[in-house]
Formats: sequence, structure tokens, C-alpha cells
Amino acid sequence: ETVLTQSPGTLSLFPGERVTLSCRASQSVNSNYFAWYQQKPGQAPRLLIYATSSRATGIPDRFSGSGSGTDFTLTISRLEPEDFAVYYCLQYASSPRTFGPGTKVDI
Amino acid sequence: QVQLVQSGAEVKKAGASVKVSCKASGYTFTNYWIHWVRQAPGQGPEWVGMINPNGGYTSYSQRFQGRVTMTRDTSTSTVYMDLSSLRSEDTAVYYCANAQDYFSYFEYWGQGTLVTVSS
Repeated sequence: ETVLTQSPGTLSLFPGERVTLSCRASQSVNSNYFAWYQQKPGQAPRLLIYATSSRATGIPDRFSGSGSGTDFTLTISRLEPEDFAVYYCLQYASSPRTFGPGTKVDI
Repeated sequence: QVQLVQSGAEVKKAGASVKVSCKASGYTFTNYWIHWVRQAPGQGPEWVGMINPNGGYTSYSQRFQGRVTMTRDTSTSTVYMDLSSLRSEDTAVYYCANAQDYFSYFEYWGQGTLVTVSS
């Protein structure tokens, strides 16, 4: 099983700031099969990025993804008020599919 | 538009079974896999398993093997997840989500179904 670790656990930031979230895998993940999700309280996760760096439909370009092998990154270039949420990484290269524990971005 | 609509909240006793449904619309039902993901209170999501509505092939996480069964009804575009021998640790919101093929991200999600297991 590929274990995903996210850091930091919580970030306290201001609107307008740039933020970089990290996800590390216990073994190499094909970058075609790595995604990021955003989740707000009481809602289902929302797809942001797939295949490491491709933005999902309707996702603003302030969100970007990068990485390869065991290290992946989600960057939000300029935080908007609606971006305060929990962010999860997902690998879908192998079964079981696994999620990271999440990074909470707090205002 | 693509929609996945799940059945309502359930309260079950430990040892019982629960069956959650997920009705798809807005796309060709048999063209997309359906995954089930659960999320315990305050925790990250956890993958339960998946089903291919075209033929019914299933693949389950080892953690749930023997306790979970996923089925589909193509006449109503509905997928079902049956989880048996419930324990308190199974208390969670259960989501269905669709994916374009076997190795694909979870694109559209249902609204979630809260399953509460009481002892």
C-alpha cells in the first residue's frame, strides 16, 4: 500500500498569501495518477488537480500542481477567502487508492 | 449535468448490515466506474472499493474484503454498497464518486451518506 504523508498539518495564513502544500509518498507514484482535492465542512471533496499538474474544469489558475516520484506539491499563488479549506492528495496508480491525511488551511 | 444522488442517513446496531445506494444521471452509466470512499469524523477519506457498471467487475480494499459487496442495476443507473458486520469504527460519511476508467481520478461525487453504528 502506498502511504501518503502531508505537511504541514495546519497552516494559518492571510488572504493574498502564497501557499505551498506538500505530499510525500512511501514509494514512487506515476505522476499520471496523482491528484489534489479541496474539502469544505459538510461537503464532498472537490477535484482540483489530476495527473499531478492538470487543473480540473472550472478550477482557477491560481491553483497549480507539480512533482514526481515521491514528492508532490500543490501551490495556491494568492489565497482567496474561499480557499480556506482542507486539502487532500490522492494516488490512483495502484490499489488500494490512498489519500493523505490532509492539510488544513486556516484564516 | 452529472449527478450522483445517494440514499439517506442510516443508524444501525453493531453487527448489522447497511446498504447505501448511489443513483447516477447526466452521463452514460456504463461508461464510468463508481468508487466508494468513506470519511470518519475528523479524518481523511478512505477508499473502500470500486465497481464497473459495465459487467459488474469489482475490486475492494483488503481492509473491507469479506464485509463489503458492491452491485449495480443498469436499468435504474444505480450502484449499491452493502457493508456487513458493522462496528462502531464504521461510523462515517460514505461517498460514491465516478471515474472514467480503471486508473482514473474521482471526478464527480455524491452528497454523502452518514452511517452511524451504535452499540
